[in-house]
Amino acid sequence: RKEVEQDPGPFNVPEGATVAFNCTYSNSASQSFFWYRQDCRKEPKLLMSVYSSGNEDGRFTAQLNRASQYISLLIRDSKLSDSATYLCAVNSGYALNFGKGTSLLVTP
Amino acid sequence: DGGITQSPKYLFRKEGQNVTLSCEQNLNHDAMYWYRQDPGQGLRLIYYSQIVNDFQKGDIAEGYSVSREKKESFPLTVTSAQKNPTAFYLCASSLTGGTGELFFGEGSRLTVL
Repeated sequence: RKEVEQDPGPFNVPEGATVAFNCTYSNSASQSFFWYRQDCRKEPKLLMSVYSSGNEDGRFTAQLNRASQYISLLIRDSKLSDSATYLCAVNSGYALNFGKGTSLLVTP
Repeated sequence: DGGITQSPKYLFRKEGQNVTLSCEQNLNHDAMYWYRQDPGQGLRLIYYSQIVNDFQKGDIAEGYSVSREKKESFPLTVTSAQKNPTAFYLCASSLTGGTGELFFGEGSRLTVL
């Protein structure tokens, strides 16, 4: 089993839609969880950290389910500019393990 | 501005040549990392360093070497032993190794002809 798994998509959604991504992880000892956004041929950029209590930043909501070992990202009122690949990251030892990313395309 | 600088951004080399990718950070971060990204493969960890003069192999260290002589610098050498070196290489740093978020440089795109 891979350490961090994501549905690669692509998710094609119209502007204004709500879309959710999940990411499962295998290491039950993991303590830190993040969502990164990566645009085509660019470096990943931190979108948000994921806390046990869940957290929200504008249109973005991240949640952690330790019992089922997954994290989620919810994007409300999708914008064209949200089109990107979303990577989840989970700490393992002294580094982060990344999923392969979920591709999102928001269409007019 | 504080950040991570990688150079060169694009690099072309002939097969069998060693190449060194530069990574410098002025964030005063202790930990630094090298990842490799291939299409559809996500990010894979090559090497990481938690402190100066110490570094550890990641998941795909074969064919690569690093050094950490200064806190600010973590260069990566792609040796001729690396069988498939064409990839997007990403350097990252974090305040402390382990549970912290990573900040990435803009990446170096290596193409071996």
